[in-house]
Amino acid sequence: AQRVTQPEKLLSVFKGAPVELKCNYSYSGSPELFWYVQYSRQRLQLLLRHISRESIKGFTADLNKGETSFHLKKPFAQEEDSAMYYCALSGETSGSRLTFGEGTQLTVNP
Amino acid sequence: NAGVMQNPRHLVRRRGQEARLRCSPMKGHSHVYWYRQLPEEGLKFMVYLQKENIIDESGMPKERFSAEFPKEGPSILRIQQVVRGDSAAYFCASSPVRRDWGNIQYFGAGTRLSVL
Repeated sequence: AQRVTQPEKLLSVFKGAPVELKCNYSYSGSPELFWYVQYSRQRLQLLLRHISRESIKGFTADLNKGETSFHLKKPFAQEEDSAMYYCALSGETSGSRLTFGEGTQLTVNP
Repeated sequence: NAGVMQNPRHLVRRRGQEARLRCSPMKGHSHVYWYRQLPEEGLKFMVYLQKENIIDESGMPKERFSAEFPKEGPSILRIQQVVRGDSAAYFCASSPVRRDWGNIQYFGAGTRLSVL
């Protein structure tokens, strides 16, 4: 069965500090991994996906198949990064459905 | 493009009543997904539909829940004889094309169902 684990429900950092939101997955096959973000009072939106290999709003994430991880990183956090972050997985054996982690609430303090 | 539209945003029902949740996908999208988020949990897949077809309903409870996406009009998630445990946020997402997997999904703002 496929599973996504985000071990931290809450994460708090100071502005300018590096931030890493952890995501581990279990899946037997080639998954596609996503990070979705939900800012306060807004809808869930795609932040980035691993196949794009791009940096969005300063965030990057690298798929590590050996460690089955897809951690989200940003070198210098900003207050506007405060939001709920969800890691999600889609795979060839599960079709189009997304399997989500339980989310990490990031708070960036001034 | 108005994005994925869900209504109502909030729905209150008494036990035993029916709940109907509506979702209009983004313009040009013909694939719709429904997810449920129980309190303190992540989003859980329920069903994936194409117009007039249910593609994957592996996440739907076996009883009381049904979904449709007719040729005309929004997708409907219907919950009959609601119980307190159905209280949750229900999210709809749509995607523009169908790959076998890994479609980017665009989410609506959700419907928060409260069962009294």
